[in-house]
Amino acid sequence: GEEVAQTPKHLVRGEGQKAKLYCAPIKGHSYVFWYQQVLKNEFKFLISFQNENVFDETGMPKERFSAKCLPNSPCSLEIQATKLEDSAVYFCASSQYQNRSPIYFGEGSWLTVV
Amino acid sequence: QQQVKQSPQSLIVQKGGISIINCAYENTAFDYFPWYQQFPGKGPALLIAIRPDVSEKKEGRFTISFNKSAKQFSLHIMDSQPGDSATYFCAASAYNNNDMRFGAGTRLTVKP
Repeated sequence: GEEVAQTPKHLVRGEGQKAKLYCAPIKGHSYVFWYQQVLKNEFKFLISFQNENVFDETGMPKERFSAKCLPNSPCSLEIQATKLEDSAVYFCASSQYQNRSPIYFGEGSWLTVV
Repeated sequence: QQQVKQSPQSLIVQKGGISIINCAYENTAFDYFPWYQQFPGKGPALLIAIRPDVSEKKEGRFTISFNKSAKQFSLHIMDSQPGDSATYFCAASAYNNNDMRFGAGTRLTVKP
């Protein structure tokens, strides 16, 4: 597609429950990124993929967060045992090239942990 | 450690005025500097971007000025309109990785 498609738009989970978010990058884009945006608007980089391979995961809280980009499937971001502080908007983005390349964002998935 | 510092945090401008948002960076490896516009409830949309080999780039009412020696860049919105009211983020990325580092955002309000 010509847009980064994210699902679901909204997700509510009780503390300790699992949350799973999905992202379909723009067709032809090899790089996928996940960002977390908290209420203060700051974007926190989580992880990036080059096709199905992890490119950079320096931002991932590895204890509870995991992500995958498998061939012919939407990419996913999974949070095990959610905590209140995981409440945020999670943005997926994609780009065609590795460097000096525009990154296009989806509409985001709003996760609320109660 | 915030790699891209953005100011001001909020900005109020009258319709027709010039909005100026500034960003500064420290990492000299950064070589791509985009600006994003975000409306409430939406994802950031790429507005305009610049590379360090030019000092200015203009697209319509939007201009990026880039000062490589000072490691600063700014967004100018000419003839600001109420429809420009949004949060603006500057960002930077380096050649050897493509994860953007974002500024903290500037909430722009353009009054009619």
